[in-house]
Amino acid sequence: GESVGLHLPTLSVQEGDNSIINCAYSNSASDYFIWYKQESGKGPQFIIDIRSNMDKRQGQRVTVLLNKTVKHLSLQIAATQPGDSAVYFCAETPPDYKLSFGAGTTVTVRA
Amino acid sequence: DVKVTQSSRYLVKRTGEKVFLECVQDMDHENMFWYRQDPGLGLRLIYFSYDVKMKEKGDIPEGYSVSREKKERFSLILESASTNQTSMYLCASSHTFVAEAFFGQGTRLTVV
Repeated sequence: GESVGLHLPTLSVQEGDNSIINCAYSNSASDYFIWYKQESGKGPQFIIDIRSNMDKRQGQRVTVLLNKTVKHLSLQIAATQPGDSAVYFCAETPPDYKLSFGAGTTVTVRA
Repeated sequence: DVKVTQSSRYLVKRTGEKVFLECVQDMDHENMFWYRQDPGLGLRLIYFSYDVKMKEKGDIPEGYSVSREKKERFSLILESASTNQTSMYLCASSHTFVAEAFFGQGTRLTVV
């Protein structure tokens, strides 16, 4: 079946730098996309979402970009902090409503 | 404060046992989901439900069944547990299919 995938399994970032996490999705009919953060021992937590009729959405220190032409999603984290160390997942809701997740990117913030 | 509660954090079961994983949400959400999470594979959808007594297969339903008799509760059933079902199981709920899903803390199941 189709799946959402992330480009890199790990990302190491210097504290204070900006982080960019990438995701390629495969279902061009997906209408809704979400980024989740999962800390050790916890369930995933919502970070930010975007509908398919938008190409950019900003939150607090985070920005999601959607490029439907190449089916690409990215999460940008400004001024990365130690508390941002976690596994990040992108997810998509295709027309069959099967909310699908990629394999995740582990972000490690260096002091 | 929204909450999705899974009945156990850790479970150890024997091969062949019937296993019930329970999930309760207090947000009056229509949709509920069960995922398993394995290293390097992300979250894989087992089953989901969009209403009481309604269920839909996800991507990996084999060896599992579900029950949703009440809106707030969604149960995952392993009819005959096998060692390859050792995993982290995550329950989630959402109000609509274009809204964030809220996750429980997970149940780490070990089948021996």
